[in-house]
Amino acid sequence: NAGVTQTPKFQVLKTGQSMTLQCAQDMNHEYMSWYRQDPGMGLRLIHYSVGAGITDQGEVPNGYNVSRSTTEDFPLRLLSAAPSQTSVYFCASSPPGQGPLRANEKLFFGSGTQLSVL
Amino acid sequence: KNEVEQSPQNLTAQEGEFITINCSYSVGISALHWLQQHPGGGIVSLFMLSSGKKKHGRLIATINIQEKHSSLHITASHPRDSAVYICAVANYGGSQGNLIFGKGTKLSVKP
Repeated sequence: NAGVTQTPKFQVLKTGQSMTLQCAQDMNHEYMSWYRQDPGMGLRLIHYSVGAGITDQGEVPNGYNVSRSTTEDFPLRLLSAAPSQTSVYFCASSPPGQGPLRANEKLFFGSGTQLSVL
Repeated sequence: KNEVEQSPQNLTAQEGEFITINCSYSVGISALHWLQQHPGGGIVSLFMLSSGKKKHGRLIATINIQEKHSSLHITASHPRDSAVYICAVANYGGSQGNLIFGKGTKLSVKP
């Protein structure tokens, strides 16, 4: 199993450009999510999905779009890149939680994408 | 006020020392995660706790739900343990996506 595959590892964009960060997992996980990590701040949730065809916004969704057409793939689209979107992005997945509280099980992270917007 | 607070922010230890990293949270939770971020940036899940204590090798994680506090202990620390350790909580009653992260504790273990 490859786990969670995230591409690209590095990307430089100009303000206003669009791009898609790819995330794929081969573990048949229902839950997938995108986070951004900025210096001095904890990871912040951008968007997440609890299954194919279902997505929802996280803490910082503005400027980003997602879709979940298959269980395996969860791409993150930057519609019109801005310097404020310079960050390190992580994709993560996990199986559904067990028990009545639906707590997340172990998280599996991609290797990250370092994005710079000039 | 941050909902998840970690202490200390930075920690330097000598090889072999016993290390404790603390995590306090202010919301009701259904689970708490401890993650390790390597110097190269990759993030690995260490533990998921909803009560009690878990142990894996030299790592021990405990949680006290009543006090809203968790600790990560490393016994016989080694330079390869140098990393950022991140606490994250799953908000009680929230969706599976609702994880709140601490800012991390940067650990450096000197030989």
